[in-house]
Amino acid sequence: DIQMTQSPSTLSASVGDRVTITCRASQNIYDWVAWYQQKPGLAPKLLIYKASNLETGVPSRFSGSGSGTEFTLTINSLQSDDFASYYCQQYDSYAYTFGPGTKVDIK
Amino acid sequence: DVHLAQSRAEVKKPGESLTISCKASGFDFPNFWVGWVRQRPGEGLEWMGLVFPADPESRYNPSFEGRVTISADKSTATAYLMWDSLEASDSGFYYCVRLASVGHSAFDLWGQGTQLNVSS
Repeated sequence: DIQMTQSPSTLSASVGDRVTITCRASQNIYDWVAWYQQKPGLAPKLLIYKASNLETGVPSRFSGSGSGTEFTLTINSLQSDDFASYYCQQYDSYAYTFGPGTKVDIK
Repeated sequence: DVHLAQSRAEVKKPGESLTISCKASGFDFPNFWVGWVRQRPGEGLEWMGLVFPADPESRYNPSFEGRVTISADKSTATAYLMWDSLEASDSGFYYCVRLASVGHSAFDLWGQGTQLNVSS
């Protein structure tokens, strides 16, 4: 099974900061990574698919990069609406694994 | 408007059976993979499995295979998640998800979630 790790597990930041979250896969997954945002009490929301593709309707301050085993989600100029948990997810032949999550809270 | 509407919260006892549902609207349900993701309280997300309503073919996370059954009725555009015998460890939130048609690599539509509490 492909395992996903995320760092950091918690991140304290201020409005306007640039935030980077890293996700690592236990083996090469090419660019088959997605990123989700989840706010308390709500379902997750897709932000990025296939490592760097912005889902329709997602603000352009979100971006994704990486390939192989290391991937990043970047939020440029953090907004108050962005304080949430973020999960990466890998895809390998109709098997899907999520990372443990990163909580972005207010510094 | 595309939407996945899930059934209400459930409170059950260990050993009981349960089926929760997910009604799709606004898209060609038979031709999209749909499935379920579990989130235990305070924990992360676990993919459970998928079903392709037009076939219907299903795929399971090995951690859940044999414990749950995922099915779909294309005539009513509804997906189901079924347990024969619940355990306390099944408590959590269950999200119905749609697999994106491009690349089949991400879940682009989520239901609102169904909370399950299994307790004696």
